[in-house]
Amino acid sequence: GESVGLHLPTLSVQEGDNSIINCAYSNSASDYFIWYKQESGKGPQFIIDIRSNMDKRQGQRVTVLLNKTVKHLSLQIAATQPGDSAVYFCAAPRDYGQNFVFGPGTRLSVLP
Amino acid sequence: EAGVAQSPRYKIIEKRQSVAFWCNPISGHATLYWYQQILGQGPKLLIQFQNNGVVDDSQLPKDRFSAERLKGVDSTLKIQPAKLEDSAVYLCASSLDRATPYEQYFGPGTRLTVT
Repeated sequence: GESVGLHLPTLSVQEGDNSIINCAYSNSASDYFIWYKQESGKGPQFIIDIRSNMDKRQGQRVTVLLNKTVKHLSLQIAATQPGDSAVYFCAAPRDYGQNFVFGPGTRLSVLP
Repeated sequence: EAGVAQSPRYKIIEKRQSVAFWCNPISGHATLYWYQQILGQGPKLLIQFQNNGVVDDSQLPKDRFSAERLKGVDSTLKIQPAKLEDSAVYLCASSLDRATPYEQYFGPGTRLTVT
């Protein structure tokens, strides 16, 4: 079945710098991907999504890049702020059904 | 708009005891999900309901876990008997419809510790 993994379990960045969080997936037929943010003590919160017919999608201070050739996607956060400190998950569709498989997450720490 | 409500927020039990978690989804959301999130991992789907029917319970350990959504609104997840490896955060989420699983709204979760 589909598996989703992240390259780094933790990432520390200086406030104001850009952050890049990476994710790899296994199923080349996956057509939709989501990034979630989970703050301590809270449930995951939707950040941005991207369909497989796109290479890039931008939101407010966030950009997701999709490279289908190497089955890799990344989340870029511009001008990282203390409020961005959280665990970030990518999710991809399961091989069956209509639900998603979550990656293990990257914990982003923003240093003052 | 009120979010997904869950209770209790924390629970500590001994192994072999029973425990139940409650979830009230966003009003009007037909689809309800229960996830298990072990420390350091991403959420794993346990069961999905569409109204009061089960859509997907393929990853639910049915020998000890059960869930119901009798009236198609709130839901209860039960573990009986609990094992040490059940220690995790149990998240409930809801979406308007099963066709929009990507538009899931998560509750704050119940942190279960089994000793």
